[in-house]
Amino acid sequence: QVQLVQSGAEVKKPGASVKVSCKASGYTFTDYAMHWVRQAPGQRLEWMGWINAGNGNTKYSQKFQGRVTFTRDTSASTAYMELTSLSSEDTAVYYCASPVAATSWYFDLWGRGTLVTVSS
Amino acid sequence: DIQLTQSPSFLSASVGDRVTITCRASQGISSYLAWYQQKPGKAPKLLIYFASTLQSGVPSRFSGSGSGTEFSLTISSLQPEDFAAYYCQQFNSYPLTFGPGTKVDIK
Repeated sequence: QVQLVQSGAEVKKPGASVKVSCKASGYTFTDYAMHWVRQAPGQRLEWMGWINAGNGNTKYSQKFQGRVTFTRDTSASTAYMELTSLSSEDTAVYYCASPVAATSWYFDLWGRGTLVTVSS
Repeated sequence: DIQLTQSPSFLSASVGDRVTITCRASQGISSYLAWYQQKPGKAPKLLIYFASTLQSGVPSRFSGSGSGTEFSLTISSLQPEDFAAYYCQQFNSYPLTFGPGTKVDIK
C-alpha cells in the first residue's frame, strides 16, 4: 500500500526545535520528491519546500529559509523536516506530501499530518 | 509570490445542489492549478489537476475549468460526503501557494 506515515504529535517550548519524520512505503522512495506543507489552526495550507529523495537536493520557501532543514534516510525510506527557533506562530499541523503519480508539483499522496504545538 | 483568492469563503448548500467555487490568481498561471478537498482532521485529497483533469477515483460530479487567472470547481450534484473545505493550489512557480479555502456546509 502506497502511504506516508508521519511521527506523532509534539509539544515544544518557544525557542526550541522540532524534527518530524515521514516514512514512505509502497513505492520507490528515491524516485520522487517529498514536499512539506503546514496548516496553522483555521488557516490555509502553506508550502515549506521540498527535498529530492534521490540526491538530497533541497528547495526552501523564502519564508522558512535559514530556519528549516529537510533531510532523508534512503535506507529507511524516511524524510525529515526540522524547524528551529519555534514560536507560537509555528503551531500547526505539518504534512509531508509527494507527487508520486503526478507530473508536476501537485500532490496525490499525503501523510496524515503531525501536530506541533508551541507553548510555554 | 502568486496570491490565490477564493470565493465564496463559505457556502451553505443542500444535497443535490449544483455548487461552483472560484479561484483567482494574482497573475497568469496557465493551467497549473489543482483543487483539493479537506475534511476536519484529515489530510487534503487531490480532486483536480492541470485545472480540469479529474484525479483517478474522484467522482465525475466534480469538474474543473479555467486558465490564466480565473478558475472554477463545480460539484454538479452535492452529496453528503462532499461537505468539506476546498482549496486551490498553483504550481506554476515557486513558492507554491494555496487559496484560503471555501467551506461547504449543510443548509
